[in-house]
Amino acid sequence: AQSVTQPDIHITVSEGASLELRCNYSYGATPYLFWYVQSPGQGLQLLLKYFSGDTLVQGIKGFEAEFKRSQSSFNLRKPSVHWSDAAEYFCAVGAQAGTALIFGKGTTLSVSS
Amino acid sequence: KAGVTQTPRYLIKTRGQQVTLSCSPISGHRSVSWYQQTPGQGLQFLFEYFSETQRNKGNFPGRFSGRQFSNSRSEMNVSTLELGDSALYLCASSLAQAVPNYGYTFGSGTRLTVV
Repeated sequence: AQSVTQPDIHITVSEGASLELRCNYSYGATPYLFWYVQSPGQGLQLLLKYFSGDTLVQGIKGFEAEFKRSQSSFNLRKPSVHWSDAAEYFCAVGAQAGTALIFGKGTTLSVSS
Repeated sequence: KAGVTQTPRYLIKTRGQQVTLSCSPISGHRSVSWYQQTPGQGLQFLFEYFSETQRNKGNFPGRFSGRQFSNSRSEMNVSTLELGDSALYLCASSLAQAVPNYGYTFGSGTRLTVV
């Protein structure tokens, strides 16, 4: 069965600094990978997704993620963080056969001025 | 294009009661999935409906049930509420049956508090 680990529960980054949120997955075949963001009291918004092809994927709001099969990782990055990026970020993995997405426990991002 | 609509946004119920939550997916989306989100357990999959049929089910007790109507709207029901059922219940719609490559579009959720 697939699983997702987000090692960092909480990260604080200065505004304007770069960001990297870690995600490790466990799945036997090539997974479908997603990053979602959740603002307080809201649902989840899709930032980006990876299915195949180019291992560096671009998403909304200036985010990108890189799929590294050898490391079973799908880390989320942003070159310059804005205060509005403060939120909770979830990595998710899906299998190819019709199963539900499995989510990591999330990483809370705080942005300091 | 309207998003995923969940009603009500907030709900307070007493232990032992039952509750029904509603979800209207994006127009044209035929798959509706439900997740429970709690601080301790995170996002946990409840079930997924496609064309009025439950296709997938998570590891929740039988007190949790759902259904989907012909217009793809879905409801979930929780009977005999327990304090531990307090959570944010999220509905997600997808173009096809739990096909991961489409991803989910989530609603804003229903915050259920059981007292």
